[in-house]
Amino acid sequence: RKEVEQDPGPFNVPEGATVAFNCTYSNSASQSFFWYRQDCRKEPKLLMSVYSSGNEDGRFTAQLNRASQYISLLIRDSKLSDSATYLCVVRNSGAGSYQLTFGKGTKLSVIP
Amino acid sequence: DAGITQSPRHKVTETGTPVTLRCHQTENHRYMYWYRQDPGHGLRLIHYSYGVKDTDKGEVSDGYSVSRSKTEDFLLTLESATSSQTSVYFCATGQANEKLFFGSGTQLSVL
Repeated sequence: RKEVEQDPGPFNVPEGATVAFNCTYSNSASQSFFWYRQDCRKEPKLLMSVYSSGNEDGRFTAQLNRASQYISLLIRDSKLSDSATYLCVVRNSGAGSYQLTFGKGTKLSVIP
Repeated sequence: DAGITQSPRHKVTETGTPVTLRCHQTENHRYMYWYRQDPGHGLRLIHYSYGVKDTDKGEVSDGYSVSRSKTEDFLLTLESATSSQTSVYFCATGQANEKLFFGSGTQLSVL
């Protein structure tokens, strides 16, 4: 089983739609979780961290389920500018905890 | 945005030649990383550094070496480039347990 798995998509959604991405991770000792966004031919940038209690930033909501070892990202009222690839990222605890493991990403296209 | 500069931005080289990619940061971050990104594989860690002269291997380190002689600079060297090393290379920096900041990437083509 790969360490971090994501549905590659693509997800093609109309403007204004709500879309959700899931990500599963294999290491139960994983410590920190993030969603990064990557635009075509650009570098990844942090979208948001994911906290145990769940967290929201405007139209974006992240959830963590440690028991089932998955992370989710919900985007409400999708905008054209949300079109990008969304990367699920996990940091493990202990030795090597300064290393992040990236999922392969889920591609989102928001259509007018 | 964090001050991370990668050079060169684009490089075309021939099989068997040595290549060095440079990452320069102005953030005084302790940790620096080299990733490669390929279709179907996502971002994979090549090498990382946790301080000056302190480096370690990532998951795809074969054929690559690194050096970090000062905080600001992290060099990635392909001793003898192969076509399988054609990729986009990203440098990233950060502090412990904090988010990473990425450079703009280097597109390397090995012919």
